Amino acid sequence: DAKTTQPTSMDCAEGRAANLPCNHSTISGNEYVYWYRQIHSQGPQYIIHGLKNNETNEMASLIITEDRKSSTLILPHATLRDTAVYYCIVRVPWGKLQFGAGTQVVVTP
Amino acid sequence: DGGITQSPKYLFRKEGQNVTLSCEQNLNHDAMYWYRQDPGQGLRLIYYSQIVNDFQKGDIAEGYSVSREKKESFPLTVTSAQKNPTAFYLCASSIFWQIQNGYTFGSGTRLTVV
Repeated sequence: DAKTTQPTSMDCAEGRAANLPCNHSTISGNEYVYWYRQIHSQGPQYIIHGLKNNETNEMASLIITEDRKSSTLILPHATLRDTAVYYCIVRVPWGKLQFGAGTQVVVTP
Repeated sequence: DGGITQSPKYLFRKEGQNVTLSCEQNLNHDAMYWYRQDPGQGLRLIYYSQIVNDFQKGDIAEGYSVSREKKESFPLTVTSAQKNPTAFYLCASSIFWQIQNGYTFGSGTRLTVV
């Protein structure tokens, strides 16, 4: 599975959009981009995934560049409860989830 | 409601003792996984099982053992051979054959060796 690169941490003001970048320059054609988040001392929570097209659900939007070498997770209106570690993972659908260090997002009032 | 149950939430063990962590799911998922998380780090895969009576080693299987006698259950035993067992342990499950499905995680067991 391809590796990903994420910033170690980022801050976001409550009510503003949070844009979380992820680089995956070695992604292969059959690998999907998945995003999970982990609130302190809890199990990770699935957020969204995509292959080529941009995706949106009730939690977030996922923007994937045309060359698929990077993507951005967008939390449209961040709340204090969005404070968590966010993991960007690329894998073939039948592959195992391999977690990196993720991005620590802190939403401030 | 369907989900994954890990028990206990907190577990203390004396050095040199084996301990078994429970993981049960009622989601009818085929695959189950065990991860370990150390402070400030991401999750690392210990073992996984795609079908009953079969399991595979992950990246850090040494000092651990598992069984998969039932679809719903995937217990993890931390043996005395595990050098640094104190960690947060997470169990997950997924529908292996449904290619776009994500993982569902339990709430974790925090193991402390005293």
